[in-house]
This record gives sequence, structure tokens and C-alpha cells, in this order.
Amino acid sequence: SQQGEEDPQALSIQEGENATMNCSYKTSINNLQWYRQNSGRGLVHLILIRSNEREKHSGRLRVTLDTSKKSSSLLITASRAADTASYFCATDSAELIRGKLVFGAGTILRVKS
Amino acid sequence: NAGVMQNPRHLVRRRGQEARLRCSPMKGHSHVYWYRQLPEEGLKFMVYLQKENIIDESGMPKERFSAEFPKEGPSILRIQQVVRGDSAAYFCASSPRSLSYEQYFGPGTRLTVT
Repeated sequence: SQQGEEDPQALSIQEGENATMNCSYKTSINNLQWYRQNSGRGLVHLILIRSNEREKHSGRLRVTLDTSKKSSSLLITASRAADTASYFCATDSAELIRGKLVFGAGTILRVKS
Repeated sequence: NAGVMQNPRHLVRRRGQEARLRCSPMKGHSHVYWYRQLPEEGLKFMVYLQKENIIDESGMPKERFSAEFPKEGPSILRIQQVVRGDSAAYFCASSPRSLSYEQYFGPGTRLTVT
């Protein structure tokens, strides 16, 4: 199976609730990035966390990284209907040529108003 | 500062025709990456280029696909003799010379092969 697998595959929550998405990967990494994609659109970069970092915040986003478990989580607090999108994690593997990102299949988040 | 530009946004080709997808990276960015996204799937890496050089083409199909990033002008992804299985969204991303590792994506080109 491929690097960067997200779970759950789909998540449906009410506006105002928190949403947590997880990502697991297989090889050692230089960094891990989270992207958002609205239906039929391009990707928007959300946050990058380096392999020597454990937690990072950006607005309502909180990302954690556990390199011992090869996993990351993305938490969106106080969700809004506009957060409805697909969320992808992508890893820059330390074992491959730098810059080549490996994406997971994504988590589809639906926030109901 | 304009973002990554891709054109066309939508492209329809008949089987056997050629498809040319263009990508202009952000100003000051000399690293370009192409990814392909099939429906309901994540992005798959195709090729990584710097000006006039292919750095990594491990994700490119061996036949019919080629990419270039000339000294002047946009990066081009070329698909010859398209087949229905080539229908997908093709995304280009760029990153700065300093390799900050954040890749900025264009809006994509949606290729439909009829």
C-alpha cells in the first residue's frame, strides 16, 4: 500500500464541532504537509511540519507528528460549513529524491450547518 | 505575485490525439512538479523538473508521456496518442529555488478523452 494513508475516508460533523483526521506513512520523512481540495478545484497548502517538530498550529488548525509511530493528525477546531472539502496528507520521503511528494487517498470532510 | 498558472483548465481530446498541458510556476520558483489525480483518488507524482533538467521521472508512464521545462517559457506535459485511461486532472506545483519544501499548486487541467 502507498505512503500517506488517511483515515477516516469520510467524516461528517455538525458546524462548530472539531474534526480530526489521521495520516500514516511508511518511510522516514523530511516533512509532512497537509492540503485541502475543494470539489473540482486545485490544492491549497495548509501546513507543513518538519520531522523534528511534534506539533504546529495555524489558526484553527493543529497538526501533530509522531515519527516513532509514523503518523500525523490534523485537527480542525470549531468547524465551519466552508471547511467542507477533501484533506490530503503528503510526505517528502527521506529515502527518495527530495521534493517528490507522496499523497494519501484523502479524507472527505463534510460539515453540516 | 501571481500563483501557479495552468492552461488550459479543461481539455477534451479524441483517442489518438495529442494533449499539451502548460504550467507557469510562481515567480522566482525554479522547481516544477507534475501530479495526476484520478477521480476519487489522491495525487500521484509524475515528474520533477528544474530549468532544462528532469530530476525525477519515476512516476511517468514509459510511453507516450514526456515533460520539459525549458530555459524560457512554461513547463509542458505532453501526452501523445491519448487513451481513455489518460482522463484525469493534471496538477502542476512549484517551489522556490531555496527549496522551502512547500509546494504551491495550480488549479489543474482536467483532461477528458472521448
